[in-house]
Amino acid sequence: GDSVTQTEGQVALSEEDFLTIHCNYSASGYPALFWYVQYPGEGPQFLFRASRDKEKGSSRGFEATYDKGTTSFHLRKASVQESDSAVYYCALGEFAGTYQRFGTGTKLQVVP
Amino acid sequence: DMKVTQMPRYLIKRMGENVLLECGQDMSHETMYWYRQDPGLGLQLIYISYDVDSNSEGDIPKGYRVSRKKREHFSLILDSAKTNQTSVYFCASSTGTGAYEQYFGPGTRLTVL
Repeated sequence: GDSVTQTEGQVALSEEDFLTIHCNYSASGYPALFWYVQYPGEGPQFLFRASRDKEKGSSRGFEATYDKGTTSFHLRKASVQESDSAVYYCALGEFAGTYQRFGTGTKLQVVP
Repeated sequence: DMKVTQMPRYLIKRMGENVLLECGQDMSHETMYWYRQDPGLGLQLIYISYDVDSNSEGDIPKGYRVSRKKREHFSLILDSAKTNQTSVYFCASSTGTGAYEQYFGPGTRLTVL
């Protein structure tokens, strides 16, 4: 079945560092790919989505490019801030499917 | 204002008691979900509802049931709660399934003693 793998459980960075959170997927079809962000004490929030190969999704300075060849959708940000500290979830959903599959999440901690 | 609400936000129950978690949304979304979130496991889907009285099991439905009698309202019921159902529960809604973004509520932290 479809699945999403986030290899980093936790990432610790200093402010202004470059961020990469890895997301790889496995799907039988051609899914849409998502990033969600969850701040402490809140529910996850939709960050952005990409629906086709080479499409770039972006929001709030974060971006990711759909890469069908490497089955990846890595999240990147050029310069992180302390306020970016949160848990980030990668997810996939088939257009004809019933529900999304979420990765296990990556906790980002940014220290000033 | 697009919003998903959950009540209560915190709940403590004893093992064997019944639990009712409520979720509402003001976006007229057809599809609603219940998830639980546990450390290291991420978000696990319990049930999905496609519309009123149209519900399907997710990945971990055992020990749970749901009710959806109005499009804007979706309930999660635990009959005779167990200690391993201690978790944070999230409700979500979306305009469709699969490839549509989901809007999440703030969560309910349930402790079963």
